[in-house]
Amino acid sequence: SQTIHQWPATLVQPVGSPLSLECTVEGTSNPNLYWYRQAAGRGLQLLFYSVGIGQISSEVPQNLSASRPQDRQFILSSKKLLLSDSGFYLCGLGTNEKLFFGSGTQLSVL
Amino acid sequence: GQQLNQSPQSMFIQEGEDVSMNCTSSSIFNTWLWYKQDPGEGPVLLIALYKAGELTSNGRLTAQFGITRKDSFLNISASIPSDVGIYFCAGLIWGRNEKLTFGTGTRLTIIP
Repeated sequence: SQTIHQWPATLVQPVGSPLSLECTVEGTSNPNLYWYRQAAGRGLQLLFYSVGIGQISSEVPQNLSASRPQDRQFILSSKKLLLSDSGFYLCGLGTNEKLFFGSGTQLSVL
Repeated sequence: GQQLNQSPQSMFIQEGEDVSMNCTSSSIFNTWLWYKQDPGEGPVLLIALYKAGELTSNGRLTAQFGITRKDSFLNISASIPSDVGIYFCAGLIWGRNEKLTFGTGTRLTIIP
């Protein structure tokens, strides 16, 4: 069965610092991968998705970027964090019209 | 774009009660998914529905894909404390990979 590894679980970063969140998956090949953000008490917003290595689609204009250097690795980055980047970030694995989520990273930008 | 209206926003019930929540859309979806999210965790997929009129159960949970394809319902029977959390519906249109449209969530609280 598929497994999604997402880390770190929590992260506190100062404004203006860089960001790198990593997601790796196991038990599948050529998966569709997703990054979602969830504001406190709110729904999920799709940020990026990728259907293959080097293929990234951005859903909303923002301060973040994504990369997929390997088939089972999806990275969310920023060069300079903003206060508004705070939130709960979720990596998603899509397969057969189902989406499964990792355990999430709670990012606090101070 | 599509919007999913999920109701109620919150529910306060006593243990043992049954729960019903629903999602409605302004347009048609081909797949409906229901998730549960505990605090600080990622959403967990509960039930997936693929055909209009489909009724699917997962233990005490039952979900239905509305005939019009514009709505879906989730019922929880005989609620227990571990049912506490936020429930999200999500709709998918074929051909868009797994780019889901999510509802705003229903927060379930069980009153002791």
